[in-house]
Amino acid sequence: DAGVIQSPRHEVTEMGQEVTLRCKPISGHDYLFWYRQTMMRGLELLIYFNNNVPIDDSGMPEDRFSAKMPNASFSTLKIQPSEPRDSAVYFCASSPDTDTQYFGPGTRLTVL
Amino acid sequence: GQNIDQPTEMTATEGAIVQINCTYQTSGFNGLFWYQQHAGEAPTFLSYNVLDGLEEKGRFSSFLSRSKGYSYLLLKELQMKDSASYLCAVRDRGDSWGKLQFGAGTQVVVTP
Repeated sequence: DAGVIQSPRHEVTEMGQEVTLRCKPISGHDYLFWYRQTMMRGLELLIYFNNNVPIDDSGMPEDRFSAKMPNASFSTLKIQPSEPRDSAVYFCASSPDTDTQYFGPGTRLTVL
Repeated sequence: GQNIDQPTEMTATEGAIVQINCTYQTSGFNGLFWYQQHAGEAPTFLSYNVLDGLEEKGRFSSFLSRSKGYSYLLLKELQMKDSASYLCAVRDRGDSWGKLQFGAGTQVVVTP
């Protein structure tokens, strides 16, 4: 299995631009998670889905952030408009249950 | 939510043993996890404890005491490749099933 796939791996954009991060979970995994990691705040859960349905989005920082999972093999995390404080590494993870999460390689986002 | 406390950094010699402590406060404990994260890479799952006691997996062991709100990760026969950040994460019974709260991580430096 290829593992969790994320794209792009690196993204540099300017403040105010829309950013879309993409994730393909491991086939057969029913759970998909979006995390953000910064030096200041560590690793934080933003939102997670079960069978394509959002279960907990309490970690989504504000209305500028939105996530979708249109089918079992694809999810997006969108930031519109982006701000410099959104600069972080964004990880997608998937899981067959909720005990073992498999992380993707991450997207390093820089907002100038 | 949870307060999760772990040391910032530990240094040990190749071949030695290192114990990384994690203390937590939670209103309803429902599992403790350890993840390893090498610099610039994604976290990878190491262990999961939900009952008191020691779980052993090769050179790595994890211990849990629910009454004390305490866990440790024991790394034996240290190798240079064990240099990484080790993240303690807790699941609270009051949270949605997939929600993990991560500690800030302990950076382990293995020296020759």
